[in-house]
Amino acid sequence: GAVVSQHPSRVICKSGTSVKIECRSLDFQATTMFWYRQFPKQSLMLMATSNEGSKATYEQGVEKDKFLINHASLTLSTLTVTSAHPEDSSFYICSANPGTGYQPQHFGDGTRLSIL
Amino acid sequence: QKEVEQDPGPLSVPEGAIVSLNCTYSNSAFQYFMWYRQYSRKGPELLMYTYSSGNKEDGRFTAQVDKSSKYISLFIRDSQPSDSATYLCAMTREGGTSYGKLTFGQGTILTVHP
Repeated sequence: GAVVSQHPSRVICKSGTSVKIECRSLDFQATTMFWYRQFPKQSLMLMATSNEGSKATYEQGVEKDKFLINHASLTLSTLTVTSAHPEDSSFYICSANPGTGYQPQHFGDGTRLSIL
Repeated sequence: QKEVEQDPGPLSVPEGAIVSLNCTYSNSAFQYFMWYRQYSRKGPELLMYTYSSGNKEDGRFTAQVDKSSKYISLFIRDSQPSDSATYLCAMTREGGTSYGKLTFGQGTILTVHP
C-alpha cells in the first residue's frame, strides 16, 4: 500500500517550454503532498508543500511564478515548470502522507527534466 | 551547521558484512525518524520509521534512536549487493508549522560487493 505514482519519468524539451509533472496517490487520499528537487549526488531539497483545495506553501527562495502547484483533488497534485530554462534541469520528486495523523512520506519515482 | 549531519561516504563493504549508518541532529524537537533507501534515478523508498527513542527491527534492518545523544542509526545485517544504494536519514518534528516537513541528511552512498 501507500503507492505514489509520478508522471512523466523523463522529459526533454526546449528552453522556454512549460512542463507539467503529475503526482498521484494511487491507494490513499492525500490532503498534503510535497515537491522536492534533487541535484546529482545531493540530498532532497523541499520546494513546496501542496495542500488540497488551497494554495501551496513555498520554501524560501523558490519562485512561485516559476513553479506552479495545483492540488485539485485528494489524489492528484501537479507541478508546472513555466518557461523552463537549462538551469531548471533537475530531478523532481513528489511525496505524500497516507492516512490521518502523522505517517511517513511515501515518494514517487521522480521526473528527470532536461531543458536544452 | 546543518540540522542533520550524515557522513556521505562512500562506504564499500563485502557481501555478508554488517553495515552501520548514522546521523546526528541538533533540533531537539524532532520526534519522527525515518530511513529511506534511494536507488539511482529513483525516488526514495521508506525502510524504517521510528517515533521518539528506541529500537525497531524489520528483517535484516534495525533502526535505533537515541534522543539524549541526538543520534540515530540504521544497521543492515547480512548485506547483499542489492543493498547498494544511497541511504537517507530524515526526521520531522511533532506539531507546529513544520509538522510533516522532513529534514534530510546528505545521504550515504553504500556499495556491497560480491
